[in-house]
Amino acid sequence: DAGITQSPRYKITETGRQVTLMCHQTWSHSYMFWYRQDLGHGLRLIYYSAAADITDKGEVPDGYVVSRSKTENFPLTLESATRSQTSVYFCASSSSGFYNEQFFGPGTRLTVL
Amino acid sequence: AQKITQTQPGMFVQEKEAVTLDCTYDTSDQSYGLFWYKQPSSGEMIFLIYQGSYDEQNATEGRYSLNFQKARKSANLVISASQLGDSAMYFCAMREGTGANSKLTFGKGITLSVRP
Repeated sequence: DAGITQSPRYKITETGRQVTLMCHQTWSHSYMFWYRQDLGHGLRLIYYSAAADITDKGEVPDGYVVSRSKTENFPLTLESATRSQTSVYFCASSSSGFYNEQFFGPGTRLTVL
Repeated sequence: AQKITQTQPGMFVQEKEAVTLDCTYDTSDQSYGLFWYKQPSSGEMIFLIYQGSYDEQNATEGRYSLNFQKARKSANLVISASQLGDSAMYFCAMREGTGANSKLTFGKGITLSVRP
């Protein structure tokens, strides 16, 4: 089915481990985004990508790494997870153009022990 | 300074009544877009409505309308004839810039509870 998917949906890991969250979209949207959602903060942008091989930092990029070798995939890696990275992570995509809304994946709930 | 401000505490509305959710924004750009998203308890983010800074008419989508007051920098969401399924968290967001630098900034959200 067309859409945007995230995996895993739930993840528990330990401090210091590397974790990769996957995001895949089938619309061939140019733009892709990673947000984290924390109580009291709303959604905050971690990284975004305007096209394959083009990525840039958002509001809270520290401790995260992204790559985008293919248009449809935009993985987010926590190189050495910390408890403060416990959050719900949303991936989103939008077609190129200023007036296009972003479509969100279902989210990944990550717990770092 | 916050770019998007949603200061209302949890909102309550009676079923079938209208409710207004407030949003104010801060930008120096002339060209920007304003969005509202709904997040039910299941967690997904659902796009509701969009208003462009140059749009002269207020945006409407079914029971949702956006009361856009540019001079006041406000973009309030109006939900008419509330339904039980409208109970959710609502986020206002603004998109500034164009092209590769275009990003969406979200407010902290407002919780709406619809009473039967």
